[in-house]
Amino acid sequence: DAGVTQSPTHLIKTRGQQVTLRCSPKSGHDTVSWYQQALGQGPQFIFQYYEEEERQRGNFPDRFSGHQFPNYSSELNVNALLLGDSALYLCASSLFTGTGGWETQYFGPGTRLLVL
Amino acid sequence: AQRVTQPEKLLSVFKGAPVELKCNYSYSGSPELFWYVQYSRQRLQLLLRHISRESIKGFTADLNKGETSFHLKKPFAQEEDSAMYYCALSIRETSGSRLTFGEGTQLTVNP
Repeated sequence: DAGVTQSPTHLIKTRGQQVTLRCSPKSGHDTVSWYQQALGQGPQFIFQYYEEEERQRGNFPDRFSGHQFPNYSSELNVNALLLGDSALYLCASSLFTGTGGWETQYFGPGTRLLVL
Repeated sequence: AQRVTQPEKLLSVFKGAPVELKCNYSYSGSPELFWYVQYSRQRLQLLLRHISRESIKGFTADLNKGETSFHLKKPFAQEEDSAMYYCALSIRETSGSRLTFGEGTQLTVNP
């Protein structure tokens, strides 16, 4: 089991461009969450996808959008990139257990995005 | 709104000394707390969660609801414990769950 995987590992974009980041969850997991980690900060929650729908959203603008596919993998899209979007983007996966809610989140290695 | 505070950005101890990484939270509901660790060049990984009450790599953490704290402790620090430690609060709702992280504490264990 490779655990949570993310691609690409690094990305350089210029202001105004658009970017797509990808995540494959840990085997057996059905829920994907995305976090942004700026330098020197803790991760901040962007949104969570379950059953191909956005279930929860943090305090991020509409420029940040996502998608979940039937195989549970997910994409994070950021439009109109700003310099301040430069960060490590983390994907985490978990399993919905029904009445027990969601189990512990496991993280991928992240995609480091640099906006110039 | 929920919040997690780790008051120390940097903590340095000598090998064999006790170590305590502080974490305070604010949340009106029933908290579920975690410690995650990130070793150099590795991904963020779960260290322990309060509901399991287990000891991992010699670390323990007790949830104190009166003081709204979840401090991480180890009686004898090892050099391999040097890493970034994040305290996190899980918010579970019927629609989903999210983690709120503190800003982290960089622990250095000196030989």
